[in-house]
Amino acid sequence: RKEVEQDPGPFNVPEGATVAFNCTYSNSASQSFFWYRQDCRKEPKLLMSVYSSGNEDGRFTAQLNRASQYISLLIRDSKLSDSATYLCVVNNRNYGQNFVFGPGTRLSVLP
Amino acid sequence: DTEVTQTPKHLVMGMTNKKSLKCEQHMGHRAMYWYKQKAKKPPELMFVYSYEKLSINESVPSRFSPECPNSSLLNLHLHALQPEDSALYLCASSQAGTVINQPQHFGDGTRLSIL
Repeated sequence: RKEVEQDPGPFNVPEGATVAFNCTYSNSASQSFFWYRQDCRKEPKLLMSVYSSGNEDGRFTAQLNRASQYISLLIRDSKLSDSATYLCVVNNRNYGQNFVFGPGTRLSVLP
Repeated sequence: DTEVTQTPKHLVMGMTNKKSLKCEQHMGHRAMYWYKQKAKKPPELMFVYSYEKLSINESVPSRFSPECPNSSLLNLHLHALQPEDSALYLCASSQAGTVINQPQHFGDGTRLSIL
C-alpha cells in the first residue's frame, strides 16, 4: 500500500460546480498535511495547509480526519483557472524532513 | 514570484557533460530538498539537507552529487547522465526541526534534457 493515496481522477467538471478530492495516508504518526496545486510544466504551489479543526480559504475548504487518516479538499464554484493537478502532501518531522506526496488528482474545469 | 530561485531554467546536455543546477533561498529556511519529476507523476524525493548536512539520500545514483555550500544555497552536480534522467528538477526549502504545519516552498524548476 502506498503511503499517500488520492482519487485517481481525472475530474472533468463544468464551471460553477463543486468538486471534492480525497486523500488517505497510512502513517498514523503523520503530523502535517498540505494541499498543493501544480499547473502543467510548473512547480507545485502551496494551496493550503490542513489543520485539525478544518480550515477554509475563500472557495476552498480542507478537512482532516485523524481517526480515519483521511484528508479532503472541497472546491466550490469552480473556475476555469482551477484546472490543475492537486497534490496531497503529508509530513512526519519525527522522520526528518520527509514530505510524502500523493500521486495527484487532475482537475479540468470546462466552460 | 517564487522565493526559491533555480538556475538555469532549461538545460540540454550530452551524456558525457558535467553541469550543475543551482538553487537559492533567502527565507531563513534550514532544510533544502532536491526532487525529480517526470511527466504526469508527483515529485520524487532525491536528497534532503538539514542544517547544511545531508540527512536523506533516496538511493540516488552517484552521477547526481548534491552540495550545500551554506544555508541559502543548494547545488546538484551532474555527470555522465542517462537519457532517462531527463525530467524537471525541483528545489524546495522549508523550516527545519520539529515545528509542524510548516510547508515546503518550491522553485520553478530546471527542465533537463539529456541527449
